[in-house]
Amino acid sequence: GENVEQHPSTLSVQEGDSAVIKCTYSDSASNYFPWYKQELGKGPQLIIDIRSNVGEKKDQRIAVTLNKTAKHFSLHITETQPEDSAVYFCAASLINYGQNFVFGPGTRLSVLP
Amino acid sequence: DSGVTQTPKHLITATGQRVTLRCSPRSGDLSVYWYQQSLDQGLQFLIHYYNGEERAKGNILERFSAQQFPDLHSELNLSSLELGDSALYFCASSEGSGSSYNEQFFGPGTRLTVL
Repeated sequence: GENVEQHPSTLSVQEGDSAVIKCTYSDSASNYFPWYKQELGKGPQLIIDIRSNVGEKKDQRIAVTLNKTAKHFSLHITETQPEDSAVYFCAASLINYGQNFVFGPGTRLSVLP
Repeated sequence: DSGVTQTPKHLITATGQRVTLRCSPRSGDLSVYWYQQSLDQGLQFLIHYYNGEERAKGNILERFSAQQFPDLHSELNLSSLELGDSALYFCASSEGSGSSYNEQFFGPGTRLTVL
């Protein structure tokens, strides 16, 4: 089955700097890759996603890139702000067989003021 | 607020007991997903229901079961509880059946503690 690895497990950046989180997946059939942000005491919330037919997607300060050949995808956050501090999860799934995500272990991002 | 509600917020029980976790999806959503989040296993998919029918199973133990009722709310039943079942249990909902790209909206979770 699918296996998703995520690095780093913790990341500290200064406010205004960029943050990059990387994930790799094992099943080349996976075709949907969402990123979730989980704040303390809350459920995960989708922040951006990318489909396998797209190489890059951007939404304001957040971007995701996908390299299908290498089976890895990355989350880029620019101009980080203290409210970006949270745990970020990447996930992979194969749509058409149910949207059953396999999540990475998570990255705890701390943005220092 | 995602629009997904889960009750109870916290649950403390003893080993060997049985509990039921409840989830109400967002209005109009037909799919309900259950996830378990623990420190050692991370966030794991358990089971998916669509319009009352089971669609897929993940890493769900035989001691666990779920159902989705005609009003679309769902319940996750955990029996013969063990210490290792202590975790956060999340429910998520989405519009479609999972065969297309639909955002999953997560509820706030139920924290289960087994003593």
